[in-house]
Amino acid sequence: AQKITQTQPGMFVQEKEAVTLDCTYDTSDPSYGLFWYKQPSSGEMIFLIYQGSYDQQNATEGRYSLNFQKARKSANLVISASQLGDSAMYFCAMREGTNAGNMLTFGGGTRLMVKP
Amino acid sequence: DTGVSQDPRHKITKRGQNVTFRCDPISEHNRLYWYRQTLGQGPEFLTYFQNEAQLEKSRLLSDRFSAERPKGSFSTLEIQRTEQGDSAMYLCASSQRGTSTDNEQFFGPGTRLTVL
Repeated sequence: AQKITQTQPGMFVQEKEAVTLDCTYDTSDPSYGLFWYKQPSSGEMIFLIYQGSYDQQNATEGRYSLNFQKARKSANLVISASQLGDSAMYFCAMREGTNAGNMLTFGGGTRLMVKP
Repeated sequence: DTGVSQDPRHKITKRGQNVTFRCDPISEHNRLYWYRQTLGQGPEFLTYFQNEAQLEKSRLLSDRFSAERPKGSFSTLEIQRTEQGDSAMYLCASSQRGTSTDNEQFFGPGTRLTVL
């Protein structure tokens, strides 16, 4: 079974509107972390936001927020007020276990295209 | 600047040749990771070092692949007898245990390998 599933291969959003990118995960470990990365066409992975499995509140970082629904095992990324520069691939990833050195498992990504 | 750097950025080689890539992590980071990303997919974990010790290896890391981090600073990834299926982007990331950002892996720009 896939550990990280991103069901939207591509998404369009109008500039200045909000968009939600979906991510569901599968783990039996009670301790895990969820990440979102942005990958522009240049190829570099840019960290956006992190949510720990024991965090009580949803993570927020500027225009990015993570809608964490633990019972549903979902960790959707919400981007508010989309900008043209947000056009990129977005990857959801998970780290299982308490050791922060553990590897990241990535989903297949969602390509976001922001329309002017 | 002090981000993660990788060299070369691009490598074209013929099938059967050996290639070596280098990664220089952020200077104070003790953890270093290698990932492979094929076109249209998310990155896949290959291996992980803490200081000079290689602590995890993926089953993707066949015996043609070897990684080293001899002094706990830079790392090299060598692929022997390259095959066309090795064509991919090879990403390096680093992190520092015990800091406020130890949940985050900082990625380099990647080395894109093309095997003809």
